[in-house]
Amino acid sequence: DAKTTQPTSMDCAEGRAANLPCNHSTISGNEYVYWYRQIHSQGPQYIIHGLKNNETNEMASLIITEDRKSSTLILPHATLRDTAVYYCIVAAYNAGNMLTFGGGTRLMVKP
Amino acid sequence: NAGVTQTPKFRVLKTGQSMTLLCAQDMNHEYMYWYRQDPGMGLRLIHYSVGEGTTAKGEVPDGYNVSRLKKQNFLLGLESAAPSQTSVYFCASRGQGYGYTFGSGTRLTVV
Repeated sequence: DAKTTQPTSMDCAEGRAANLPCNHSTISGNEYVYWYRQIHSQGPQYIIHGLKNNETNEMASLIITEDRKSSTLILPHATLRDTAVYYCIVAAYNAGNMLTFGGGTRLMVKP
Repeated sequence: NAGVTQTPKFRVLKTGQSMTLLCAQDMNHEYMYWYRQDPGMGLRLIHYSVGEGTTAKGEVPDGYNVSRLKKQNFLLGLESAAPSQTSVYFCASRGQGYGYTFGSGTRLTVV
């Protein structure tokens, strides 16, 4: 059973903000929202995570709705190098902390 | 150059042959994971380890065995390779933080 729902693909113009949505309506109280991306055939790269507050780091911002049923990853100024598959994952932070990857969103940044 | 190193990067096996994939991390991480990724799909967890000497099954463990004799190494074995095991294999590790660090992958073809 998929815990998250993401659009299959999205386009974004270079230099503009990329807003990637994710629905996770069955998220549990102890589960975090994680975002990873996979560029071409490389190993996935950690971007950001959050529990219930909005988060920002040098790569992106994460906006989580108050009911925690959905979130949005924001890349403020997308570049061509941000073209990748973006995975939204919900998981509890525990000893195993296994991440379950869905299909993700294929973001294409265009010149 | 700290990170996760996977060897080999590429391998072609004949059906029925055996092989071992090696994952090494130099970040003193407790947790290590083996995933496989089939074309156009997300990653699926094969096995994982929460510490030296421990292993556990993930989502798709059949046909694979693992060992974690040393904290820094996590080995994935295929005893009798099958064409269905043609895939890209990713190893990952995690410390006390929240983000996984992934290796660059091993591309395995079973003919």
